Amino acid sequence: GNSVTQMEGPVTLSEEAFLTINCTYTATGYPSLFWYVQYPGEGLQLLLKATKADDKGSNKGFEATYRKETTSFHLEKGSVQVSDSAVYFCALSDLDGNQFYFGTGTSLTVIP
Amino acid sequence: EAGVVQSPRYKIIEKKQPVAFWCNPISGHNTLYWYRQNLGQGPELLIRYENEEAVDDSQLPKDRFSAERLKGVDSTLKIQPAELGDSAVYLCASSLGLEDSPLHFGNGTRLTVT
Repeated sequence: GNSVTQMEGPVTLSEEAFLTINCTYTATGYPSLFWYVQYPGEGLQLLLKATKADDKGSNKGFEATYRKETTSFHLEKGSVQVSDSAVYFCALSDLDGNQFYFGTGTSLTVIP
Repeated sequence: EAGVVQSPRYKIIEKKQPVAFWCNPISGHNTLYWYRQNLGQGPELLIRYENEEAVDDSQLPKDRFSAERLKGVDSTLKIQPAELGDSAVYLCASSLGLEDSPLHFGNGTRLTVT
């Protein structure tokens, strides 16, 4: 079946540090992959997505590359800011685009 | 474009009482989802609608939960009676339902059952 595994949190970084949040997946075929971000008291917001192998999704300085050979979609940012403090969810959708599977989330806190 | 609208934002009830949540999806989004999110966890699907038809309700605890989307637009999720373990955030999301379409989430309803 389909599933997503994220690195355990919480993660605490100093401002301007490099961020990596690991995500691996198990799926039938080649699903679409997503990163969502959730700020306190809010719903999930789409951060970026990639729909096929070797695609790179990017937004607001965050990047993730769809790696078919390692079934991974790691989230990276070169220099984090305090405003990036949130919970990040990796997700995949099935081939029809109707069923979504979420990881358990990784909490990020950036300190000044 | 208006986003997914949910109400209420917060609800506190005593166990055994009924509660209802409302969701209005993004205009034109035929697919609507209800998720439950427990503290420190990712969203878990309760039910998915394609227009007015519930196409996946396998994870909905049907003894106490019900949902409807009568005209294929807004939707209501109900719990009756509520139990302590139902305390969670209930998220509504919508999508165009096409391949590669992302989910768009509302801000959720935080339910506390005492």
